[in-house]
Amino acid sequence: GAGVSQTPSNKVTEKGKYVELRCDPISGHTALYWYRQSLGQGPEFLIYFQGTGAADDSGLPNDRFFAVRPEGSVSTLKIQRTERGDSAVYLCASSLAMGDQAGELFFGEGSRLTVL
Amino acid sequence: GNSVTQMEGPVTLSEEAFLTINCTYTATGYPSLFWYVQYPGEGLQLLLKATKADDKGSNKGFEATYRKETTSFHLEKGSVQVSDSAVYFCALSDRQGTYKYIFGTGTRLKVLA
Repeated sequence: GAGVSQTPSNKVTEKGKYVELRCDPISGHTALYWYRQSLGQGPEFLIYFQGTGAADDSGLPNDRFFAVRPEGSVSTLKIQRTERGDSAVYLCASSLAMGDQAGELFFGEGSRLTVL
Repeated sequence: GNSVTQMEGPVTLSEEAFLTINCTYTATGYPSLFWYVQYPGEGLQLLLKATKADDKGSNKGFEATYRKETTSFHLEKGSVQVSDSAVYFCALSDRQGTYKYIFGTGTRLKVLA
C-alpha cells in the first residue's frame, strides 16, 4: 500500500524485555516522526528524522529509548528494559518537508505496546 | 516552550447542530496551525491547516481561522453529521525549529442522530 506502515500492530511484552517497533514511511518522504499516545491524550513527540539523521530527539524520555533510520527510509524505535509506564500506542508519521512550511503529516495506524 | 490547549470533551451534539471546539496556542515564533481528526479505528489524518495570520483553513464543511491577536485556532462547523463523530486534535508546527508538531490533548465529539 501507499500509506505509512507500522509493525507490529500489537506487542505484549514483559517488564525488562527489549522491544523494536518498525515504521515504513511513504516512499519519497524525507521527514519521519515518532510519537507516543497514551489513552485519552494527544500524541507526544519523541523524535524527528530528516533523512538519515535525527534532527530533534528532545522528546525521547530517557536513554532506554533509541531510534534509527540508517538508509533514510525505514525507521526502528528501540526500547530497552521496558517498564509498565512505557505501555502506549507508538505512532509513526512521515511528510515531505517543504522549505519553511511544515508538511502534512501522514500517520500510520500505530503499534500498541503493552508491558506486563 | 510551545504548547496547545484545547477544550476538554466529550462534546455531545445532535445532528445538524453548530460545532465549536476551542484551541489556543503558545509559540515563540510564527507557527503553522492544524486540525487533525481520528475516526474510530483509523489513524490520525489532516483535516485542515493555516500557515499565517488571518488564514482560514477549510475542509468537509469545517473551518478554522488563524487569529494571531488571540493566539487561537477554533474549529467550527455549521451543521454536524453523525459521521463527524471522532476525536479532534489541534496542533502547531514551529517553522523556526525542526518542524516538530505539538498536539493538544484531543476533544472527542459524539453526534447523535
